[in-house]
Amino acid sequence: TQLLEQSPQFLSIQEGENLTVYCNSSSVFSSLQWYRQEPGEGPVLLVTVVTGGEVKKLKRLTFQFGDARKDSSLHITAAQPGDTGLYLCAGPHSGTYKYIFGTGTRLKVLA
Amino acid sequence: NAGVMQNPRHLVRRRGQEARLRCSPMKGHSHVYWYRQLPEEGLKFMVYLQKENIIDESGMPKERFSAEFPKEGPSILRIQQVVRGDSAAYFCASSPQGQDFEKLFFGSGTQLSVL
Repeated sequence: TQLLEQSPQFLSIQEGENLTVYCNSSSVFSSLQWYRQEPGEGPVLLVTVVTGGEVKKLKRLTFQFGDARKDSSLHITAAQPGDTGLYLCAGPHSGTYKYIFGTGTRLKVLA
Repeated sequence: NAGVMQNPRHLVRRRGQEARLRCSPMKGHSHVYWYRQLPEEGLKFMVYLQKENIIDESGMPKERFSAEFPKEGPSILRIQQVVRGDSAAYFCASSPQGQDFEKLFFGSGTQLSVL
């Protein structure tokens, strides 16, 4: 069974700090996605990474897909309170349309 | 272009009653997914459907749960004889066919509370 483990589970930081959260698996994924979810709402897609070693930037967010396509990271520069939320990685199970989600990292950015 | 619409947003049922959760995908989307989320946890896959077909229901409990996505109308997740353990947020997502199939668009969810 493919699993996506995310770390850390919880993270509380001050505004302006940098942070990195991780998404790891023992299995190869054809692609990985990152979502952010706010309380009472559904997840919102941030990015999809497809190629091993790929780096994508979305303003202050930098996403990287591991060379072996088994892991991914999300780095946030100069975090802001608006970045607060649950960050989820997700990927297609064994090349199917069934998307499995990671355990999530709950980020809180204090003003 | 309206997003994924789920209703109701909140649903309260007593043990033994039936719960019906509705999901209208984004216009032009033919793939629908249902996920369940417990507090402080990630999303657990339940079922993946295309119009009139269940493609993967490996995450659905074998009993009491069923899902459909008819040719016309919304996708329905039906839970019969609900129990307290069914209390959770249920999210629906849709995606288009073609090269953007991996882009899931989520609704705001239905929070089911079983008394």
